[in-house]
Amino acid sequence: NAGVMQNPRHLVRRRGQEARLRCSPVKGHSHVYWYRQLPEEGLKFMVYLQKENIIDESGMPKERFSAEFPKEGPSILRIQQVVRGDSAAYFCASSTFQGVYNEQFFGPGTRLTVL
Amino acid sequence: GQQVMQIPQYQHVQEGEDFTTYCNSSTTLSNIQWYKQRPGGHPVFLIQLVKSGEVKKQKRLTFQFGEAKKNSSLHITATQTTDVGTYFCAGRIQGAQKLVFGQGTRLTINP
Repeated sequence: NAGVMQNPRHLVRRRGQEARLRCSPVKGHSHVYWYRQLPEEGLKFMVYLQKENIIDESGMPKERFSAEFPKEGPSILRIQQVVRGDSAAYFCASSTFQGVYNEQFFGPGTRLTVL
Repeated sequence: GQQVMQIPQYQHVQEGEDFTTYCNSSTTLSNIQWYKQRPGGHPVFLIQLVKSGEVKKQKRLTFQFGEAKKNSSLHITATQTTDVGTYFCAGRIQGAQKLVFGQGTRLTINP
């Protein structure tokens, strides 16, 4: 069974460009979470999606950031007009829904660098 | 807002010494999970605690969930160099489906 796949693993963008981060969950998992991690810091929840639905986006910046999880294909985290402060590691995690038993499987992350 | 505080932020020990990290929440948690992240790696699930006062062991690791379900600890007995990494607790607020992560405790070990 393949784990959570994320690509690209490393992404370099100039200020003002767009960044698209992809996440393919564990096969059979319909719940996807995105987190951001700054160097030497913890994981900050950004958004929680089920297939085609955003369930909780309370951690997403109001502007420039969007996420989707279409019926077919990977989940996408999109950052428009990137700024230097967006440089971070972005982790995707997936889970099955079993009530409170909800272990999350993390992908290897995408490390975004904004020049 | 909902916060999960974790201490200490850093811990350096001699190989063979014990290590403990503590996690405290401002609100009652439905469950708490622990993850380990190696340098340059991604978080890997270690365990989940659900019941009040629950204690679970994995070899040299002991995990506890407080009676009030607001705090938790991870204790490693006789650390080994393979234990190096950052340990995160992550609590699930009752009724929510998102995890709130602590800041993590970075463990380094002198061989």
